[in-house]
Amino acid sequence: QQQVKQSPQSLIVQKGGISIINCAYENTAFDYFPWYQQFPGKGPALLIAIRPDVSEKKEGRFTISFNKSAKQFSLHIMDSQPGDSATYFCAASTDSGYSTLTFGKGTMLLVSP
Amino acid sequence: DVKVTQSSRYLVKRTGEKVFLECVQDMDHENMFWYRQDPGLGLRLIYFSYDVKMKEKGDIPEGYSVSREKKERFSLILESASTNQTSMYLCASRRAGGTEAFFGQGTRLTVV
Repeated sequence: QQQVKQSPQSLIVQKGGISIINCAYENTAFDYFPWYQQFPGKGPALLIAIRPDVSEKKEGRFTISFNKSAKQFSLHIMDSQPGDSATYFCAASTDSGYSTLTFGKGTMLLVSP
Repeated sequence: DVKVTQSSRYLVKRTGEKVFLECVQDMDHENMFWYRQDPGLGLRLIYFSYDVKMKEKGDIPEGYSVSREKKERFSLILESASTNQTSMYLCASRRAGGTEAFFGQGTRLTVV
């Protein structure tokens, strides 16, 4: 049973455009929702994260929007740049000290020059 | 900077071999994790450890075992490698009670 569903699987955006990646979760006990960014040949690295007490979090060009009632959250990349080309994973976990991250299947983003 | 180091970037092993993947972290993190990454399947948790000598099964533990004899080192063992274990393996560590997981660069294992 896939607990975090991510879409689209791949995305091509022109330079300067907005990239949007969506995730939906099923487990209402989840209360931490990070996004990880992975460049080719590298391990994933934390990009930005949100907790359900806020509906939006912004860090530079990256914004997470969170809809608790719909059990959905999304990553928006404004003014997308070729350097943003990477694979993005959404994830979710509970706040327990013994929690593990459940990842979506990933979105391969290509920003064309 | 947290550093998670996986001993090999690329490995080629034969079917039936016993394979050891090693991971070392330098930030005194209590929690360590092994994931495998396959195209279209994302990251799937194999095993994790909350502290030395502790281990817990993840979502796909079949065919794997782990060892955590020292806090900084977490080893993934393929008892008898099979071709369906060809994959990218990622190790991660996390401070106890923390949220951010730090990943190594991965080991791409090919079983022939």
